[in-house]
Amino acid sequence: NAGVMQNPRHLVRRRGQEARLRCSPMKGHSHVYWYRQLPEEGLKFMVYLQKENIIDESGMPKERFSAEFPKEGPSILRIQQVVRGDSAAYFCASSPASNQNQPQHFGDGTRLSIL
Amino acid sequence: QKEVEQDPGPLSVPEGAIVSLNCTYSNSAFQYFMWYRQYSRKGPELLMYTYSSGNKEDGRFTAQVDKSSKYISLFIRDSQPSDSATYLCAILETSGSRLTFGEGTQLTVNP
Repeated sequence: NAGVMQNPRHLVRRRGQEARLRCSPMKGHSHVYWYRQLPEEGLKFMVYLQKENIIDESGMPKERFSAEFPKEGPSILRIQQVVRGDSAAYFCASSPASNQNQPQHFGDGTRLSIL
Repeated sequence: QKEVEQDPGPLSVPEGAIVSLNCTYSNSAFQYFMWYRQYSRKGPELLMYTYSSGNKEDGRFTAQVDKSSKYISLFIRDSQPSDSATYLCAILETSGSRLTFGEGTQLTVNP
């Protein structure tokens, strides 16, 4: 499967725990984007990363949320001290380059549920 | 005002009907336009991508862009039950990398 791979597909956490969501981009893609889809709402941009760099994190909450895309391994979206409002589907997308001729391709998401 | 407005539906049509899905946007910096299809419990799948005013056709799908009116459309001809999904318009700024999405229109094609 050469598509964007996200894991886990489903993640359950209790309030106050940490959630770690992983994303492996498509082969040959070096740009990763994270989006959040809240119930009954559209997809909202969170953060854009290239290898070892955060390019745009303007859509990410200032506290408890962080993202990384290390030189080796998948991109990680980390949510610390989760609250009920963090329950959502988190989607990762990748592209080979950041320009308008390279559309973003999405994974099937991680559905995070907070008890 | 939302940057991208899309009627959430739901929209229900009989098999074989022509479906028209629409979005409006407010930011003139938006220059690149995409339509994604999202099945339940799946990620968005890219259907159409265009950057100029006019029509772009791919099989049963036609994307239409009118930049002067800030209006984009997706037409589905000879709709099939397998087209039942949520359709999302997404727009990219000239200088940006983030996609701004509409809320999505839920479509059901009845056999």
